[in-house]
Amino acid sequence: EDKVVQSPLSLVVHEGDTVTLNCSYEVTNFRSLLWYKQEKKAPTFLFMLTSSGIEKKSGRLSSILDKKELFSILNITATQTGDSAIYLCAFRIQGAQKLVFGQGTRLTINP
Amino acid sequence: NAGVTQTPKFRVLKTGQSMTLLCAQDMNHEYMYWYRQDPGMGLRLIHYSVGEGTTAKGEVPDGYNVSRLKKQNFLLGLESAAPSQTSVYFCASSYPPGQGDSNQPQHFGDGTRLSIL
Repeated sequence: EDKVVQSPLSLVVHEGDTVTLNCSYEVTNFRSLLWYKQEKKAPTFLFMLTSSGIEKKSGRLSSILDKKELFSILNITATQTGDSAIYLCAFRIQGAQKLVFGQGTRLTINP
Repeated sequence: NAGVTQTPKFRVLKTGQSMTLLCAQDMNHEYMYWYRQDPGMGLRLIHYSVGEGTTAKGEVPDGYNVSRLKKQNFLLGLESAAPSQTSVYFCASSYPPGQGDSNQPQHFGDGTRLSIL
């Protein structure tokens, strides 16, 4: 059965810290891995990763995929209170648009 | 730019009642999805549709029905609501694989918070 596991499930840090969120997966016919940020309402798209070792970067956020070890990380540097959210990773299977989500990591940034 | 719109935003039902959640998208997407989100469990796919008139089961389809009579609308029905269906329901839409999906694979609505007493 395809699955994705995120860790930690919850993380509390101080503003300015750097955090690393983890996402490991076991899936057949892997196509891509996606990261979403969810504040109070709809998940918003952050990154889509399809190739191993290529970092995607957007401002203070970056992500990388390791297809050999079957995991991805999401890094956030110089965290701000606005980064507080649930971060979801999901994978997409070849030939389908369905996404399978992990449990999410609840990140809290304290001022 | 409405994107994906879900109605209602909140609803409280009694066990055994039925209701329909409506999802509408104005992006001309072929694919539409219904997810539920429960604490500590991420989003789980209930049903999805790859085009008008077609639907398919996801991970957790039991107790739900869907219809896609028009391309822009995807309806989720609860036949006989149960407390286990208390959740936040999200609708999403997307292009088919390989078409315009490089930037944002699925667009999500703001969710419907449903409580079954």
